[in-house]
Amino acid sequence: GENVEQHPSTLSVQEGDSAVIKCTYSDSASNYFPWYKQELGKRPQLIIDIRSNVGEKKDQRIAVTLNKTAKHFSLHITETQPEDSAVYFCAASGVRGAGNMLTFGGGTRLMVKP
Amino acid sequence: ETGVTQSPTHLIKTRGQQVTLRCSSQSGHNTVSWYQQALGQGPQFIFQYYREEENGRGNFPPRFSGLQFPNYSSELNVNALELDDSALYLCASSLQGAFYNSPLHFGNGTRLTVT
Repeated sequence: GENVEQHPSTLSVQEGDSAVIKCTYSDSASNYFPWYKQELGKRPQLIIDIRSNVGEKKDQRIAVTLNKTAKHFSLHITETQPEDSAVYFCAASGVRGAGNMLTFGGGTRLMVKP
Repeated sequence: ETGVTQSPTHLIKTRGQQVTLRCSSQSGHNTVSWYQQALGQGPQFIFQYYREEENGRGNFPPRFSGLQFPNYSSELNVNALELDDSALYLCASSLQGAFYNSPLHFGNGTRLTVT
């Protein structure tokens, strides 16, 4: 089955700096890669996603890049703010036509210091 | 638009007991997935229901079972509870079509503690 590795497990940045979180996946058939943000005690919330027919996607301060050949994808957050502090999870879905059965990475705890 | 709602929010059970968790999907969604999130870890896929049938299952034993109802709501049942079943149980709904699956939207979860 699919295996998703996520690095780093913790990341501390100064407000205004950029943050990058990286994930690798094992199943070359995976075709959908979402990123979720989970604040303490709250639900995971989708912040951005990318499908395998696209190499990069951007939404304001957040961008995701995908390298299908190397089987890795990354989340980039620019101009970080204290409210960006949370745990971020990457995920991959390798099942076609049967819904999004996601395999999640272990999470990255991002701390943005004011 | 009504989001994904789960009940109860917290639950304490004793080892060996049975538990039922409930989920109402977001309006317009027809698929429900359940995930288990242990403390400090990423969610792990338990199973997914579409058209009232299980159409995918993760690496969980048969004592984890579920149902989906005609209104797309769902239940997760766990029999013979073990201490390791203590976790946050997340329900997520999505819209599954012939050529496109919408992103998952999660509920706030049920925190299950087994003592």
